[in-house]
Amino acid sequence: QKEVEQDPGPLSVPEGAIVSLNCTYSNSAFQYFMWYRQYSRKGPELLMYTYSSGNKEDGRFTAQVDKSSKYISLFIRDSQPSDSATYLCAMSARGQNFVFGPGTRLSVLP
Amino acid sequence: KAGVTQTPRYLIKTRGQQVTLSCSPISGHRSVSWYQQTPGQGLQFLFEYFSETQRNKGNFPGRFSGRQFSNSRSEMNVSTLELGDSALYLCASSLGDSQGQPQHFGDGTRLSIL
Repeated sequence: QKEVEQDPGPLSVPEGAIVSLNCTYSNSAFQYFMWYRQYSRKGPELLMYTYSSGNKEDGRFTAQVDKSSKYISLFIRDSQPSDSATYLCAMSARGQNFVFGPGTRLSVLP
Repeated sequence: KAGVTQTPRYLIKTRGQQVTLSCSPISGHRSVSWYQQTPGQGLQFLFEYFSETQRNKGNFPGRFSGRQFSNSRSEMNVSTLELGDSALYLCASSLGDSQGQPQHFGDGTRLSIL
């Protein structure tokens, strides 16, 4: 079992839909969580950063962390074609390097 | 504020050669991490440097090495290149003065081995 699991997709949704992207993990020591968006031929772009459990909102994006279930989510409201990209989750324990999920490919159709 | 800059953007090498990649972090960031990204393995951690010292290391062979200079710029070297080293090499920087801080990536160097 990999440390971080993520459905690779592709996930196709119509423009304006609410998108839910998820990661599960096995290491209960993880306490720092990040979501990245990566366009083709570009580096990952940091979207959300969360420490420990709870929710965080930034514009159309909401990140949720449920440490009891070892489950994190990223919600995108009012999705746009420009949101079409690969979304990566990343997490780390104190003093450790970040571990990345394999990424979910999202396609938002106009 | 300028982002993370990686040079060169593209490289083509042959087996057995060596290569050096460069990374300039965001101004004020003292931690630089290197990752290898491939379609099959995803993003894999190579190593992290902070204040010119290697602070963390991933599970890669000794052919992969790095260093960091006093201005926080970093270089990564791969010796005796193999076909399997073809990948996108990404550099990420963070403030680094406490652990778990968010990392910001450059656009990477795409290395192709013939």
